[in-house]
Amino acid sequence: NAGVTQTPKFQVLKTGQSMTLQCAQDMNHEYMSWYRQDPGMGLRLIHYSVGAGITDQGEVPNGYNVSRSTTEDFPLRLLSAAPSQTSVYFCASTGSGANVLTFGAGSRLTVL
Amino acid sequence: AQSVSQHNHHVILSEAASLELGCNYSYGGTVNLFWYVQYPGQHLQLLLKYFSGDPLVKGIKGFEAEFIKSKFSFNLRKPSVQWSDTAEYFCAVNAGGGFKTIFGAGTRLFVKA
Repeated sequence: NAGVTQTPKFQVLKTGQSMTLQCAQDMNHEYMSWYRQDPGMGLRLIHYSVGAGITDQGEVPNGYNVSRSTTEDFPLRLLSAAPSQTSVYFCASTGSGANVLTFGAGSRLTVL
Repeated sequence: AQSVSQHNHHVILSEAASLELGCNYSYGGTVNLFWYVQYPGQHLQLLLKYFSGDPLVKGIKGFEAEFIKSKFSFNLRKPSVQWSDTAEYFCAVNAGGGFKTIFGAGTRLFVKA
């Protein structure tokens, strides 16, 4: 049982490049979400999904796209990276009833 | 919209000192409340949670938190901290029955041996 798996763990991009952060969970969780963690700002919700085909914006959605074609996967896309997107990104999931989030190990992104 | 405020961004304590970290939230309806912890180099993990019932909840490693509805607060306490409690602590809230979870800015705790 792997839980929540994020790839890559580290990535360096140049301004304007695009990339996708991958997130997969094997717990059959309905709810998945992406957060970014910045010093002094805690975790801020970027996008979330309550099931396959359903996504919604969180607190800081600008510059990011998501899709949820399967229950297991919830990729986060940066279409044109900016230095302000330098951060550590966490994917999290939860099943119905518990609402306790299971987090991935995080992806550290640096945009030059 | 939900929001969470943590009062202390950095706390430094000596071993055996008592700990209290403040957390206030804004949301008018029923809420689920959480404290998560991130030890250096590790995943975020649940410390304790409140859904309903006894407002004093106990978590792992001797931590407890008290939900005071009238004050919209969910403060974290530990009577005697250890060096191994050095970590970052996050208060979080979601609206009862929902999944969208909002976090506070976090408190970095450093415990001196």
